[in-house]
This record gives sequence, structure tokens and C-alpha cells, in this order.
Amino acid sequence: GAVVSQHPSWVICKSGTSVKIECRSLDFQATTMFWYRQFPKQSLMLMATSNEGSKATYEQGVEKDKFLINHASLTLSTLTVTSAHPEDSSFYICSARDGSSQETQYFGPGTRLLVL
Amino acid sequence: GQNIDQPTEMTATEGAIVQINCTYQTSGFNGLFWYQQHAGEAPTFLSYNVLDGLEEKGRFSSFLSRSKGYSYLLLKELQMKDSASYLCASMDSNYQLIWGAGTKLIIKP
Repeated sequence: GAVVSQHPSWVICKSGTSVKIECRSLDFQATTMFWYRQFPKQSLMLMATSNEGSKATYEQGVEKDKFLINHASLTLSTLTVTSAHPEDSSFYICSARDGSSQETQYFGPGTRLLVL
Repeated sequence: GQNIDQPTEMTATEGAIVQINCTYQTSGFNGLFWYQQHAGEAPTFLSYNVLDGLEEKGRFSSFLSRSKGYSYLLLKELQMKDSASYLCASMDSNYQLIWGAGTKLIIKP
């Protein structure tokens, strides 16, 4: 089946640094990718939707200058958390929609970010 | 390898009961999650099981058997609004989520 990978799986960084998280679709072309964050045992909160080759659409309350999203190819989207602070510590999950099947979303394993 | 299996699609009748099964094989185990996802929306958390047994939350219950690598989500008194995809996800020893492909549940009047 379709696989979505994320890198890194864990990251610990100092406050004020920037962290880049990659999301890749491994065996299909993802025209649309989604970025979520999740706090323990809570629902996934959609942060932004990115379409290949165009600017991401951010959800209300998500700072676009802080969470930079680049969807430069049909298999890769990146989320950069700029000037990270401890409150940005969370579990970040991406998902990718197969361009040939608009109904199906495949989820990545998640990236745990801890900002000290 | 790591693998999660759940049925692709199920159909049930309004007012009835449906059980969605999930089997998992992961490197280590730190719990089993169930999410509900309506089309075009983010998944919402339904349940988390890490110990064997049944956990009931209103109309929804979730069961886990660690020795069998098996879980199910039980939905009672089905309502039309329960039509959605139900995602099973296992958390491995690295606290990474291994996702099932989701079960599309269709509720008929």
C-alpha cells in the first residue's frame, strides 16, 4: 500500500532555532499534503494544506510566518518551524492525498518535536 | 515488517451495531488509537487502548487484545452522522504511529 514517511522522527532543539520536517510520499504522487499537530490523546489539528507548486493554505490561528510550508514536488513537502519555542513542542503529522484518488489520505508516522 | 489491517469498507443500518476490526504488527507497542474522519475534515480522536480489555465511551467502545495483536471499534445505535472513515493506528516502540488505511463506514436508513 501507499507509504508516507517523515524525517526526522524525533527532534530536540534549543529555543530560538528552526527545525525542518520532511514529508515524503514513497510510491505515489501526492498533489495535496496536509500538516497536522497533535497533543496527547487529542484529535489531530489541521495546520495547513499544501498543493504542489502553489502556496499553502493555513488554518485560522496558524502563523504562516512561523510554520513555513514548501511543497516543491509531487513527493515532498516540508514544514519548517521557525524560531521554535517550548510551546511548539508537539507531535507533527503529515498526510498525503494520492492524486489519482481524491478520497484517500495516507498518514505519516509523525515527528516529535521537543523545544528546550 | 510493520502492518495494520482493517477492512476497506463496511455498510450498516441506522440504529444497528457495527464492529470494525483492526489487526496490527508493529515493532514494540505503545497503544492503539482509533480516529474518526469525515470527508474533508481532520481526524478526530475516539479512543486509546494500551491495556487489554474493553473501554466504553457512550455509543463507542474499543477493545484490545495485545496477545492477538487485535483491536475493534464497536459503534452502537448507529446514526447517519456516523458515516465516516475510521482509522486504526498503532504506536510502536519509537512512539511512531503506524496507520491503517481506514475503514469507510456507510450507514443506510
